[in-house]
Amino acid sequence: NAGVTQTPKFQVLKTGQSMTLQCAQDMNHEYMSWYRQDPGMGLRLIHYSVGAGITDQGEVPNGYNVSRSTTEDFPLRLLSAAPSQTSVYFCASRDRGLDEQYFGPGTRLTVT
Amino acid sequence: GQQVMQIPQYQHVQEGEDFTTYCNSSTTLSNIQWYKQRPGGHPVFLIQLVKSGEVKKQKRLTFQFGEAKKNSSLHITATQTTDVGTYFCAGPTTDSWGKLQFGAGTQVVVTP
Repeated sequence: NAGVTQTPKFQVLKTGQSMTLQCAQDMNHEYMSWYRQDPGMGLRLIHYSVGAGITDQGEVPNGYNVSRSTTEDFPLRLLSAAPSQTSVYFCASRDRGLDEQYFGPGTRLTVT
Repeated sequence: GQQVMQIPQYQHVQEGEDFTTYCNSSTTLSNIQWYKQRPGGHPVFLIQLVKSGEVKKQKRLTFQFGEAKKNSSLHITATQTTDVGTYFCAGPTTDSWGKLQFGAGTQVVVTP
């Protein structure tokens, strides 16, 4: 199993550009999450999904969109990048019955 | 809303010494999880505590869940350089979605 994979690993955007961060898992997990990590602020939940077609907002959803068309994939879209979105983004998944989350390697995003 | 707080934010430890990091929730938790993130890496699940007063050990790491299920601690004995990283606690949010709320983490630096 590859576990949770994320692409790209690094990305630089200009203000106003859009892009999609990819996340995929091959463990057949129902629950998937997107977090952003900023210095001193821990991991903050952006969006969350409990299954294909079902998503919910987290603590910091503004400026981000998600969709979950398959169990495996959970892409995160930045519609119009802003410097405040410079961060490290982690995707995570877990099985319904277990609380242990498996994290992807992360995407380091810089918006200039 | 629900808050999960960790202290200290930074911990400088001499190799061989013991230290403890603390996690406090503003609400009663059904369970609490601990994760470790090495520098430049992604969070990795360490353990989950469920019962009031529960104590679990992993080699030199001892995890405890408070009697009121609102706080937890991680105690590391005989700290080694391999213990370097940031330790996060996380608890489920009070809504029914099964999201996780992370603390800001304790960053541990070990000096030889």
